[in-house]
Amino acid sequence: DADVTQTPRNRITKTGKRIMLECSQTKGHDRMYWYRQDPGLGLRLIYYSFDVKDINKGEISDGYSVSRQAQAKFSLSLESAIPNQTALYFCATSYRAADTQYFGPGTRLTVL
Amino acid sequence: AQSVAQPEDQVNVAEGNPLTVKCTYSVSGNPYLFWYVQYPNRGLQFLLKYITGDNLVKGSYGFEAEFNKSQTSFHLKKPSALVSDSALYFCAVRPPPTGRLYFGRGTQLTVWP
Repeated sequence: DADVTQTPRNRITKTGKRIMLECSQTKGHDRMYWYRQDPGLGLRLIYYSFDVKDINKGEISDGYSVSRQAQAKFSLSLESAIPNQTALYFCATSYRAADTQYFGPGTRLTVL
Repeated sequence: AQSVAQPEDQVNVAEGNPLTVKCTYSVSGNPYLFWYVQYPNRGLQFLLKYITGDNLVKGSYGFEAEFNKSQTSFHLKKPSALVSDSALYFCAVRPPPTGRLYFGRGTQLTVWP
């Protein structure tokens, strides 16, 4: 969905480095999510935010942190990257809990 | 625990034949059910969803899905497959009352000419 953008699209980094992935949306949605995709495992939820003051852990939050700088921006940080964090990362947004989630194009992260 | 199963890692069909991609789930309550498609090097695109009502849901690109409450299934179908339908398909469920989605592992659909 072009209304949900992610930067960078590709990133190669080394073990121990701090990395930030950014997500912006122009859909006016209040809810934002971060997922990671690994081959054969589907998508797993890392963190989600229902508004600027509401941040919640997902099923695989260890090693990650997030920041909701504004309604339209939701960043994911890896404080000290490790190789098993190599994956495809997706941001998603929705208007309400019952609504469809719309996904960004993804960030392919490689940790050497 | 909430879980979504897509029992087939791969589905292969000939163009023009009907296709079915299977999904079963185990969640509490009456969940909302979704299908997404992912083309190579792209994000996930919404295909269709079931919330309530008619068990047959119609979505984008000629796809439809059939909800079966007794079998806790939500299979994706299309009467006549196209080569351009080749992609990775994900089933997802949202148990009430949360906004969280639980995804299956995905099924790679290949439609050959």
